[in-house]
Amino acid sequence: VVMTQSPLSLPVTLGQPASISCRSGQSLVHSDGNTYLNWFQQRPGQSPRRLIYKISNRDSGVPDRFSGSGSGTDFTLKISRVEAEDVGVYYCVQGTNWPYTFGQGTKLEIK
Amino acid sequence: EVHLVESGGGLVQPGRSLRLSCAASGIAFVDYAFHWVRQVPGKGLEWVSGVYGGSGGVGYADSVKGRFTMSRDNAKSSLHLQMDSLRAEDSGLYYCIGDRAGDLEYWGQGTLVTVSS
Repeated sequence: VVMTQSPLSLPVTLGQPASISCRSGQSLVHSDGNTYLNWFQQRPGQSPRRLIYKISNRDSGVPDRFSGSGSGTDFTLKISRVEAEDVGVYYCVQGTNWPYTFGQGTKLEIK
Repeated sequence: EVHLVESGGGLVQPGRSLRLSCAASGIAFVDYAFHWVRQVPGKGLEWVSGVYGGSGGVGYADSVKGRFTMSRDNAKSSLHLQMDSLRAEDSGLYYCIGDRAGDLEYWGQGTLVTVSS
């Protein structure tokens, strides 16, 4: 399943919202009814950290300014107000079908 | 607390072999699928292989099929990735990931593999 993210580069002013799109080449709805679309953040020099699982479920400790939405083949990660600590690369990844596949990554930087 | 600790990375010549290991703690090991995902520094993430919980069935990326073998040892809560016929393009940071249902929940810190003469 090909995962396509956009934009690949995202300059954002502090305090402004940001949005990242992720589209899959086929529906990510699993036979069990769940959609295994996840979002990860990778800060410079760190391992990826999961932010969102199954489209919209925020992980423990993730600020509520992060939200996920979407269905089927079209998904979005939104940051309501970007903070300096949000700088890094964001990846969507589907876990519905093997092999799992990642988007190319979106690099968020502060303008 | 869950810990996944990778080991076994290093510098190896093209065509040679390397065996990566991942030790898991803090989880019900048999209930989890596990995966290896690699990342060339500064580049994106690539799924390499995975092993199911339960049945223990294994899958591989086309780029490593026939050269890499993944296995799990439920008694020791550990995973292994036997990498043979290594190529320069296999270089990268290899992450071990624990996954209950498509959610890639737990990640290790990674072990670095460098294939170079």
